[in-house]
Amino acid sequence: DIQMTQSPSSLSASVGDTVTITCRASQTVDTYLNWYQQNPGKAPKLLIYDASTLQGGVPSRFSASGSGTDFSLTISNLQPEDSATYFCQHSYNFPHTFGQGTKLEIK
Amino acid sequence: EVQLVESGGGVVQPGGSLRLSCAGSGFTFDDYSLHWVRQVPGKGLEWVSVISGDGLWIFYADSVKGRFTISRDNSKKSLYLQMNSLRTEDTALYHCAKKRCAGTGRCSGMDVWGHGTTVTVSS
Repeated sequence: DIQMTQSPSSLSASVGDTVTITCRASQTVDTYLNWYQQNPGKAPKLLIYDASTLQGGVPSRFSASGSGTDFSLTISNLQPEDSATYFCQHSYNFPHTFGQGTKLEIK
Repeated sequence: EVQLVESGGGVVQPGGSLRLSCAGSGFTFDDYSLHWVRQVPGKGLEWVSVISGDGLWIFYADSVKGRFTISRDNSKKSLYLQMNSLRTEDTALYHCAKKRCAGTGRCSGMDVWGHGTTVTVSS
């Protein structure tokens, strides 16, 4: 199985800041990499698919890049509503493993 | 509106069984593969199983293989997860989720999620 490792596990930033979350796969997943945002008590929401493609309706301050084993999610001009936990997940083969999550706090 | 709604969760003793259901609406149900994903409260997401739109191919996580069975009834626009030989570590919120693209081709992402149904395995 492909293991997904995210870092950091948590971070704190201020409104207007830019933050980056990284995700590393234990073997190549090509660009079959997704990012999800999850607020407490809510279902995950797809933000990014195919490593860098923004899902419809997602603000353009979210961006992502990477291929192979190393990926990143960048959130620019942080807003209060960006406070959430972010998960990466690969869709290269089964099981579609998730990273352990990164909890983002807005100060 | 595209929607998935889970039901069937509850409290069950170790070794017991439970059947979860997921009702879909707002999309051509049998065109899409569907997944089950679970989450221990306060913890991460664990992919559990997937079934193709026609029900012909199925995959499971090793942690549930041989104990859980995924199925679907396209005439009822419903997805199921039969869970047998339940263990305390199966306690979680179970979500169903829709593959972003129709068909069985490689496609990244789950774009619609249900709110989940809670399974508690406890004596």
